[in-house]
Amino acid sequence: SYVLTQPPSVSVAPGQTARITCGGNNIGIKSVNWYQQKPGQAPVLVVYHDSDRPSGIPERISGSNSGNTATLTISRVEAGDEADYYCQVCENIGDDWVFGGGTKLTVL
Amino acid sequence: QVQLVESGGGLVKPGGSLRLSCSASGFIFGDYHMSWIRQAPGKGLEWVSYINTRGSITYYADSVKGRFTISRDNAQNSLFLQMNSLTADDTAVYYCAKVKGYGFEYWGQGTLVTVSS
Repeated sequence: SYVLTQPPSVSVAPGQTARITCGGNNIGIKSVNWYQQKPGQAPVLVVYHDSDRPSGIPERISGSNSGNTATLTISRVEAGDEADYYCQVCENIGDDWVFGGGTKLTVL
Repeated sequence: QVQLVESGGGLVKPGGSLRLSCSASGFIFGDYHMSWIRQAPGKGLEWVSYINTRGSITYYADSVKGRFTISRDNAQNSLFLQMNSLTADDTAVYYCAKVKGYGFEYWGQGTLVTVSS
């Protein structure tokens, strides 16, 4: 089964840029999605297809994907960005949907 | 707007069964594939099952294969998950989600399943 590796935690000061990585074997050829989950809430899709944003997601949030690493970038970080973030890919045309272990973003 | 509302969770003994439901509104339910995803307390997200628009194709995570069955009723805008032979490892919040492409576009608020004697 395909494995996605995320750092358990990332910390950043308000106004700075947070980068959350998602490592996987040749992940650059896959379509990566990112979800934000705040405590006690359901996950929310924030980036799909590597770098597209659903409506309502601010432009401060962006994604990229190349080689063995996909990255979620949050610019001008705000206190409200504090959450768990998960990357996800789909294998075998729907037979296996894989999540990374999640990264807790802390705003200092 | 899209709404997904799960129900049917609760406390069940090991070896028992439970049927989860997800009521959908705000979109043409029969036009979209659907999935179940779960999250054990304090843990990450785990995909559980997928069903295509007509219910003719289903996929399961290895951890639930042979015990869980996903189904849908497009006339009733409803998604189901029949869970049998439950163990403590199945304790989790179960989310239904609307599939878009190779991701999950909208999620319900989840229903908690607790397996304990």
